Amino acid sequence: EAGVVQSPRYKIIEKKQPVAFWCNPISGHNTLYWYRQNLGQGPELLIRYENEEAVDDSQLPKDRFSAERLKGVDSTLKIQPAELGDSAVYLCASSSGEAGVSDEQYFGPGTRLTVT
Amino acid sequence: KQEVTQIPAALSVPEGENLVLNCSFTDSAIYNLQWFRQDPGKGLTSLLLIQSSQREQTSGRLNASLDKSSGRSTLYIAASQPGDSATYLCAVVDMDSSYKLIFGSGTRLLVRP
Repeated sequence: EAGVVQSPRYKIIEKKQPVAFWCNPISGHNTLYWYRQNLGQGPELLIRYENEEAVDDSQLPKDRFSAERLKGVDSTLKIQPAELGDSAVYLCASSSGEAGVSDEQYFGPGTRLTVT
Repeated sequence: KQEVTQIPAALSVPEGENLVLNCSFTDSAIYNLQWFRQDPGKGLTSLLLIQSSQREQTSGRLNASLDKSSGRSTLYIAASQPGDSATYLCAVVDMDSSYKLIFGSGTRLLVRP
């Protein structure tokens, strides 16, 4: 079974430029998460989707961040414009939704963003 | 607000040693606790998931215990190997955050040959 797929793996951009990250969850997983991990820290949730609906986006900086999950499968996270403080690893995770809140979450390899 | 702490932040041991990594959380009202491994530049690999009703889980040389009342979990690694070198993260899903994993900052483990 294929795991969570993310692309690109690495991205270097100048500040004020836009950037987008893509995630393909494990097949059949209804719940999709985007986390951000700063250097030396644990990941923090940005947004959670149940199918195509964003059910928790309370931690998403909405002035510059946006996300979508069309058709309830793949998801895209966008930053526009990027700031120096956005440099981090952006992780996508998915879970089946079968056990509800007790589901195990499976993570992708992440996208390492560097803003110069 | 739930806070997860991992001590020590870094650990260096000789190969073959048994070791324990510690994780503590401030609010005992959790649904589950998950231990992850993260290799440099890589994503997170799930190691063990302990539901709130469970006391421990085992996988190979790994054993994780959970004491909800005291807000503690330990990850025991038997007969450590250089390939175990990585950062180990614990995370909880609590009844306030619902679905959101709240992570500690991790323990960076180095197993010396």
